This record gives sequence, structure tokens and C-alpha cells, in this order.
Amino acid sequence: DIQMTQSPASLSASLEEIVTITCQASQNIGNWLAWYQQKPGKSPQLLIYGTTSLADGVPSRFSGSRSGTQYSLKISRLQVEDIGIYYCQQASSTPWTFGGGTKLELK
Amino acid sequence: QVQLQQSGAELVKPGSSVKMSCKASGYTFTSYYIYWIKQRPGQGLEWIGRIGPGSGDTNYNEKFKGKATFTVDKSSSTAYMQLSSLTPEDTAVYYCARGPATRGWFAYWGQGTLVTVSS
Repeated sequence: DIQMTQSPASLSASLEEIVTITCQASQNIGNWLAWYQQKPGKSPQLLIYGTTSLADGVPSRFSGSRSGTQYSLKISRLQVEDIGIYYCQQASSTPWTFGGGTKLELK
Repeated sequence: QVQLQQSGAELVKPGSSVKMSCKASGYTFTSYYIYWIKQRPGQGLEWIGRIGPGSGDTNYNEKFKGKATFTVDKSSSTAYMQLSSLTPEDTAVYYCARGPATRGWFAYWGQGTLVTVSS
């Protein structure tokens, strides 16, 4: 199975701050990478797909990028509504696997 | 609009089975696969597998073979997952999600079904 190593596991940031979360894939997954946000008691919500494409309705302060097998999610100016847990997911080969999650809190 | 409505929470005993449902609406049920994803309390997400409602084709994560069984009822646009020989490690929220037949991601999720395995 492809391992997705996500970091950091938790992150405390201030409003308007730039936040970056990364996922390291254990092998080449191309651009088969998505990011989700999950709020307490809710289902995950798709933010980014295909490494860089923004899902419908997602604010433009979210962006995705890739360098080799390292993938990044960037929030350009943190807002209160961005608090939650973020997961990456690879869809290159089955079983599709998720990163361990990053819990984003307000400082 | 696309909706996936899952069945309610279940409290079940160790060693028993449980069957949960995921009713799809707002799209052609047979045009997308239904995926099942496990989330243990306070933990991350695990891909259990998928079923193609049109073909009946199934793919299971090796880890869940023998544990999970997927079926569909096309007449009611409902997908089902049965979990057998339940143990406390099966206590989790189980999500269904709509996804592609090949590779991709989940733009639509059900609200989740909490299964609690306890004597």
C-alpha cells in the first residue's frame, strides 16, 4: 500500500497567517492527490483535487502544489472557519490511502 | 442536488453482524461508484472498498476482505455494507461516498453511520 505521511500532526496558527500542510507519498502518485477538511462531527469536505485544482465553492485562499512526491496544502490567510482537521488522499493505486491528518487550531 | 443519506447509528454485540445503507439521490445511481470509508473515534480515514452499482463490480481493501460485503439495490438507488464478526475494533463511523469508476476523489459524502460494538 502507498503510505501518505502527513505533517505536522497539529498546528496552531493566528488569523491571517499563512499555513502550510504537507504530505509525503511513499512512491510516485503523479497528480492523484486530494485534500479534505473535516470539522467535528461532520463528513470530510473536498478542498483540492488533482494536486492543484480547487473544488467547487472552496475559497481561493486554499491552494495545492507538488514537488516530486511531496504535496502541500497552503492557506494564504487563515480564517476562523478554516479550523478543523485536514487529510490528504492518494488515488494512484488501490487501496486509496489517506494521510494521518493535521489538526489546525487557532493560536 | 447530490445527496447520500446513510442509515442511523447501531449498537451491536461482539460477534454479530450489522448492515448499513446509503441511499443516493440527485444523480444517476449507476453512473458512479459508491465507496465506503472507516473512521475510528479520533482517528484517520481508511478506504474499505467500492462497488459499481451498474456492474456490481466490487473492490475490497485486503484488510477488510471477509469483514465487509457490499451490495446495491438499483431499484431504490441504495448501497449497502454488511460488516461481520464484529469486534470492538470495528467501532467507528462508516461513511459512504460517491466516486469515479477509475481513480479519483470524493466530492460527495454521506453523513456517516456510527457503529458501536459493545456487550
